[in-house]
Amino acid sequence: AQRVTQPEKLLSVFKGAPVELKCNYSYSGSPELFWYVQYSRQRLQLLLRHISRESIKGFTADLNKGETSFHLKKPFAQEEDSAMYYCALSRYFGNEKLTFGTGTRLTIIP
Amino acid sequence: GAGVSQSPSNKVTEKGKDVELRCDPISGHTALYWYRQSLGQGLEFLIYFQGNSAPDKSGLPSDRFSAERTGGSVSTLTIQRTQQEDSAVYLCASSHSGRAGGNEQFFGPGTRLTVL
Repeated sequence: AQRVTQPEKLLSVFKGAPVELKCNYSYSGSPELFWYVQYSRQRLQLLLRHISRESIKGFTADLNKGETSFHLKKPFAQEEDSAMYYCALSRYFGNEKLTFGTGTRLTIIP
Repeated sequence: GAGVSQSPSNKVTEKGKDVELRCDPISGHTALYWYRQSLGQGLEFLIYFQGNSAPDKSGLPSDRFSAERTGGSVSTLTIQRTQQEDSAVYLCASSHSGRAGGNEQFFGPGTRLTVL
């Protein structure tokens, strides 16, 4: 069975400090990993995915197959980063459901 | 262009009544998904459509839940004889089909269902 684990429900970080949101997964096969974000009163939107290997809004995430992790990182937190963050996975090839973690609510303290 | 739209945005119903939730995907997206977001449960997959067929219905919680898609576009999620535990935000998403490693799903704003 596929599973995504986000161990932190809540995370508070001071503005300017580094941020790391943890995500671990279990999946037999080749997964595609995503981070989705939901800002207050906005719809769920894609932040980044491992295949694109790009930095979005200063965030990066590296897929570590050995540790089955896909942690989200940003070196300097900004107040506008406050949001709900979900890690998700799906099968790499084709269209299938996303399996989500339970989410981490990130609060940036001014 | 327009994103995924859902209606109604809010629905309050009495226990035992039937409800219909509607989703309009992004034009040209052949894959459509329904998810449910509830307190304590996170985001749960319900059903996936490819065109008008549903190859994966594994997330539907009971036979009170059904969904259809017509014309490869609009989808309707129907909940019969609603129960209080059906209260949640129901999210719809769509994506391009058949692209390896390209499964970016675009989400609608959701329908908040409250069963009294």
